[in-house]
Amino acid sequence: QVQLQESGPGLVKPSETLSLTCTVSGASLNNYYWNWIRQPPGKGLEWIGYIYNGGSTHYNPSLESRVTISVDTSKNQFSLSLSSVTAADTAVYYCARSSGGWAFSFWGQGSLVSVSS
Amino acid sequence: EIVLTQSPATLSLSPGERATLSCRASQGVGSYLLWYQQKSGQAPRLLIWDAFNRATGVPARFSGTGSGTDFTLTISSLEPEDFAVYYCQQRSTWPLTFGGGTNVEIK
Repeated sequence: QVQLQESGPGLVKPSETLSLTCTVSGASLNNYYWNWIRQPPGKGLEWIGYIYNGGSTHYNPSLESRVTISVDTSKNQFSLSLSSVTAADTAVYYCARSSGGWAFSFWGQGSLVSVSS
Repeated sequence: EIVLTQSPATLSLSPGERATLSCRASQGVGSYLLWYQQKSGQAPRLLIWDAFNRATGVPARFSGTGSGTDFTLTISSLEPEDFAVYYCQQRSTWPLTFGGGTNVEIK
């Protein structure tokens, strides 16, 4: 059974960097795409980006200048870093797995990150 | 980027009724359109992939149709557990995008 679990601070100050980690159990990080998706309170979903096979990344152009996704295969984890955050980055952040077909089949439960001083 | 417009924003129906949800793409996406269900406080759940294929474990009352720019998700007879928000997603063109959602609420 594939399970994903997000972890990280629930509160980040404006202009600082948001950092989240997704711990994967029941699956290897190899040969799948590991994504971050966010959802502002009461709003829709926005795909942030993915990492594949330990190094290949692809980001949403709307966030590309501020986003880094990395992986730690020894811990079976992948991480999100979003710099220079503002209140507009307040959202529930989900990690999710997809295959080459780009269907998000497995999701974490989500982690609410608020940006506030 | 491809914009997905879902309608209606809210659908008020009773259990047992038929639900018809629409998703329109700003440009053609072929059959590369997916549907998700999201219940309050939960992560989305994949229902339909590539326009009409039900994901594993999804009941047969959920069906998807369409191609190009116009897609429909139909729930043939609403069960109490089907009241939720539904999102469409396209995988035709980067970046991957989602629609704004349709809230199916109990009338």
